[in-house]
Amino acid sequence: LAKTTQPISMDSYEGQEVNITCSHNNIATNDYITWYQQFPSQGPRFIIQGYKTKVTNEVASLFIPADRKSSTLSLPRVSLSDTAVYYCLVGAAEGGYNKLIFGAGTRLAVHP
Amino acid sequence: DVKVTQSSRYLVKRTGEKVFLECVQDMDHENMFWYRQDPGLGLRLIYFSYDVKMKEKGDIPEGYSVSREKKERFSLILESASTNQTSMYLCASSPPGSGRTYEQYFGPGTRLTVT
Repeated sequence: LAKTTQPISMDSYEGQEVNITCSHNNIATNDYITWYQQFPSQGPRFIIQGYKTKVTNEVASLFIPADRKSSTLSLPRVSLSDTAVYYCLVGAAEGGYNKLIFGAGTRLAVHP
Repeated sequence: DVKVTQSSRYLVKRTGEKVFLECVQDMDHENMFWYRQDPGLGLRLIYFSYDVKMKEKGDIPEGYSVSREKKERFSLILESASTNQTSMYLCASSPPGSGRTYEQYFGPGTRLTVT
């Protein structure tokens, strides 16, 4: 059965780099890996997605090893406003939207 | 900006009531989704729709049904609400051709309490 695993929580300080890893043991061959950010009382917001190797945008980087069984979201120089819950999303090898697997989320707390 | 709106932010219903949750998106997206979010469980897919009048079951469809009569609107129906359906319900949409990239746009959520 497909499953994603993330740390439940992480703590960091302003200005540090934060890396959050998600394990996905049964990702579908053709699927991207997508990460979302969620603030209290809001829906998740798309951050970044990738298929393999490394992807970078204006807010984050995503590292994906060759076997694609995990991915690491990297947030450079975090600020207090990055305090949120972060979710990874993959499609299971069974395929189709009905096999979307969200991780349980990582609660990141950024301290002054 | 894509806007996904949900009819209510908070809703309180009694056990056995029929409950309608409405979702509207303004970006002409083909794909629409309903999730529920519970502490420690993340988001779980209830139903999705890839076109008008089309629907597919997600991971946890039991106790729910959906309706999509117009492209911009996707409704979630709790036929007979039960206390274990107390949850945060999130609607999302995604652009045409997004395929397996799962770039979805979420509404603010409806917190439903069933007493």
